Amino acid sequence: DVKVTQSSRYLVKRTGEKVFLECVQDMDHENMFWYRQDPGLGLRLIYFSYDVKMKEKGDIPEGYSVSREKKERFSLILESASTNQTSMYLCASSPGTSGSFTDTQYFGPGTRLTVL
Amino acid sequence: GNSVTQMEGPVTLSEEAFLTINCTYTATGYPSLFWYVQYPGEGLQLLLKATKADDKGSNKGFEATYRKETTSFHLEKGSVQVSDSAVYFCALGRSQGNLIFGKGTKLSVKP
Repeated sequence: DVKVTQSSRYLVKRTGEKVFLECVQDMDHENMFWYRQDPGLGLRLIYFSYDVKMKEKGDIPEGYSVSREKKERFSLILESASTNQTSMYLCASSPGTSGSFTDTQYFGPGTRLTVL
Repeated sequence: GNSVTQMEGPVTLSEEAFLTINCTYTATGYPSLFWYVQYPGEGLQLLLKATKADDKGSNKGFEATYRKETTSFHLEKGSVQVSDSAVYFCALGRSQGNLIFGKGTKLSVKP
């Protein structure tokens, strides 16, 4: 079974802190994604990566950065956390085969981040 | 641009009722379409998908047919169970394996 794990289920941080959210997948997938999930807004793509050291902006990248130093690990960084970044953060991975339009994404359990 | 519109909830049904959750999309080309489900306290998991027009995806008694003429991918189940209570997301595939998600529909099934 594909497993995507996220470093924390719940996290509480203060405004202005630098926050790291870690995601690890064990299926040698090429693609990895970070989403945030908010009530009434669904999931919105923050950043994705289709290879080690590669990253692409998603639909809402402002205030975030990412790092992918190893294939299995994809980190989301909040450089200076703000209260409007309080949300559920979901990491996902997908095989990244030539038919990537049809790829299934596999999700982690999510990290609920609260910024005070 | 690409977008997904799905029926807003919440939807409350009695056990064994018929379920339909509507999903329509706007896209250039012929995207793949997906339904994901999120059970309480968990991440999303794929429920079913269809990769071309007229394809029917099915899983766990759920079905959805890719209708190009109506740009729709409605989710149906003939007889829901309490264990089907969850949030359902319709999604559209973009390049590099990206997905655009609808806002989600919360389903509650009462015994």
